[in-house]
Amino acid sequence: DAKTTQPTSMDCAEGRAANLPCNHSTISGNEYVYWYRQIHSQGPQYIIHGLKNNETNEMASLIITEDRKSSTLILPHATLRDTAVYYCIVRVGRGQFYFGTGTSLTVIP
Amino acid sequence: GAVVSQHPSWVICKSGTSVKIECRSLDFQATTMFWYRQFPKQSLMLMATSNEGSKATYEQGVEKDKFLINHASLTLSTLTVTSAHPEDSSFYICSAPSSRLNYGYTFGSGTRLTVV
Repeated sequence: DAKTTQPTSMDCAEGRAANLPCNHSTISGNEYVYWYRQIHSQGPQYIIHGLKNNETNEMASLIITEDRKSSTLILPHATLRDTAVYYCIVRVGRGQFYFGTGTSLTVIP
Repeated sequence: GAVVSQHPSWVICKSGTSVKIECRSLDFQATTMFWYRQFPKQSLMLMATSNEGSKATYEQGVEKDKFLINHASLTLSTLTVTSAHPEDSSFYICSAPSSRLNYGYTFGSGTRLTVV
């Protein structure tokens, strides 16, 4: 079962940073936070993951609060191609991924 | 690296027939693969865990005799929808864990099944 809560939808102006929050208040110490996105009629695409520390890669940054009960995915300069549904998933070890409802991000020109 | 290929991308079949969907890990071995189903405007629902060389594990409410899973090699898992009905029309997606992602999943591109 999904252990995360995300806003249903968000808008972001093109070129601005998109900040997508995720609440995972019941997270355990050994559970990773993963972010994926799904563009219509495609398979989910991996974005980033982390355990405790903030992470950054070529796609995004992941900010995890010190108590690990929430995190924020940051797309630094959103483009129209970033319009998608974004999923935040927590998982322990090699257990299954259960998807929540995600956040539908719309990047506006 | 860590690419999962899914075939076909879309398929239309008649009610009562069976359809096979293939999921291959192209550049890594996957002893475990996962099958999801997604209805329009809904999230992904885990159907089953495919285990190489042994029986699949199905999520509660998923009919194992209707959704046959075979994982005969370290790079191939297949999902066969048997005696398909229109209500089986959906988007089916496979995935495999990758060590590169701390065993996070790499997903296939999905298969759109339409039963007429």
